[in-house]
Amino acid sequence: AQSVTQLGSHVSVSEGALVLLRCNYSSSVPPYLFWYVQYPNQGLQLLLKYTSAATLVKGINGFEAEFKKSETSFHLTKPSAHMSDAAEYFCAVSQQGGSEKLVFGKGTKLTVNP
Amino acid sequence: SQTIHQWPATLVQPVGSPLSLECTVEGTSNPNLYWYRQAAGRGLQLLFYSVGIGQISSEVPQNLSASRPQDRQFILSSKKLLLSDSGFYLCAWSVGIGQAVFGAFFGQGTRLTVV
Repeated sequence: AQSVTQLGSHVSVSEGALVLLRCNYSSSVPPYLFWYVQYPNQGLQLLLKYTSAATLVKGINGFEAEFKKSETSFHLTKPSAHMSDAAEYFCAVSQQGGSEKLVFGKGTKLTVNP
Repeated sequence: SQTIHQWPATLVQPVGSPLSLECTVEGTSNPNLYWYRQAAGRGLQLLFYSVGIGQISSEVPQNLSASRPQDRQFILSSKKLLLSDSGFYLCAWSVGIGQAVFGAFFGQGTRLTVV
């Protein structure tokens, strides 16, 4: 069975600092991996996805993530945090070659301090 | 372009009352459709998914049911709500199985409070 673990339910950074949100996955088959962002009382917006092409994936709003098979990780980074990045971020996994049922992590709430 | 509509945005219902949440997708055909529930601190839990009209798979046993009467319509229902049904419900769609994976796209959600 697939699963996702997001380390740290809350992360706080200063504006302009590096953002690093951690995600580790477990999958018995090659995975598809996703990062979503959710602003308060809204649905989820896809930030980026890994589908077995390049291991470094660039997404919207300056975010990127690197797939590391040896570490079973897919951490999300942004070089310089902006106040508008404050939101909750979810990592998700689904199986390649199968349906697109997504299994989500519990989320990481990002706070950006001025 | 594709859009997904989910309503109502908020709902307060008494315990024991029925529930009907509706979701429709525009701009695509034969989508996979999903209902997720989000509880505080627990991430998103997949409740139901559907790969076609009348085809519903339930992921967890619960007090809820889902139906897909039309290709782009997905309905979440309950005959009698429980307090534990409170949460943020999200509908999502994705392209069909076997096609390129684009991820799932979400509606704006329904905040359900059972009192």
